[in-house]
Amino acid sequence: DADVTQTPRNRITKTGKRIMLECSQTKGHDRMYWYRQDPGLGLRLIYYSFDVKDINKGEISDGYSVSRQAQAKFSLSLESAIPNQTALYFCATSDFGQGSSGTQYFGPGTRLLVL
Amino acid sequence: AQSVTQLGSHVSVSEGALVLLRCNYSSSVPPYLFWYVQYPNQGLQLLLKYTSAATLVKGINGFEAEFKKSETSFHLTKPSAHMSDAAEYFCAVSLSGGYNKLIFGAGTRLAVHP
Repeated sequence: DADVTQTPRNRITKTGKRIMLECSQTKGHDRMYWYRQDPGLGLRLIYYSFDVKDINKGEISDGYSVSRQAQAKFSLSLESAIPNQTALYFCATSDFGQGSSGTQYFGPGTRLLVL
Repeated sequence: AQSVTQLGSHVSVSEGALVLLRCNYSSSVPPYLFWYVQYPNQGLQLLLKYTSAATLVKGINGFEAEFKKSETSFHLTKPSAHMSDAAEYFCAVSLSGGYNKLIFGAGTRLAVHP
């Protein structure tokens, strides 16, 4: 079984709709991240969470919100989707602490199309 | 502030030829450096990482990278390309000490032709 899972894997929605992307992990990591990937831009950080009570904005958080329901679950919401949010979205997890390398482990991605 | 620059958004090599993907970084503190690979329709998979131990790092699938502080580089190499190496490759940097936030380069798409 995959350590980091994302649902749905593909989603088509219309402008103005609210949608939620979900991420679950079985790695036991406290830290979780949401990225979006656009061609030629690499991965950009949307939000990150260092534990259930600690949520931080990344470099492109406008138009997005997150919820950390439990150590293992981190959801990303688009309150009112717009076409330029069409992208591939990745969830990732990492461990932490002195001696940690910061390696992040990625889910398979959610491909989102906003019409 | 940290940043990563990958030179060449597309690289094409022949099967059996040397693969060289370039990555330069900037960081005000000793960095941790990573190479990830993304195969079509898949997530990112860790290829290798540098965490201040040996400067020459060996990863999966025959890839390796050398950390050169004087050149602020962490180029990825493989002596002989295989068709299955065709993918997109991302270099990333994070601060040492467990901070864990990664900064990614824009990616390099590697094509391997017969």
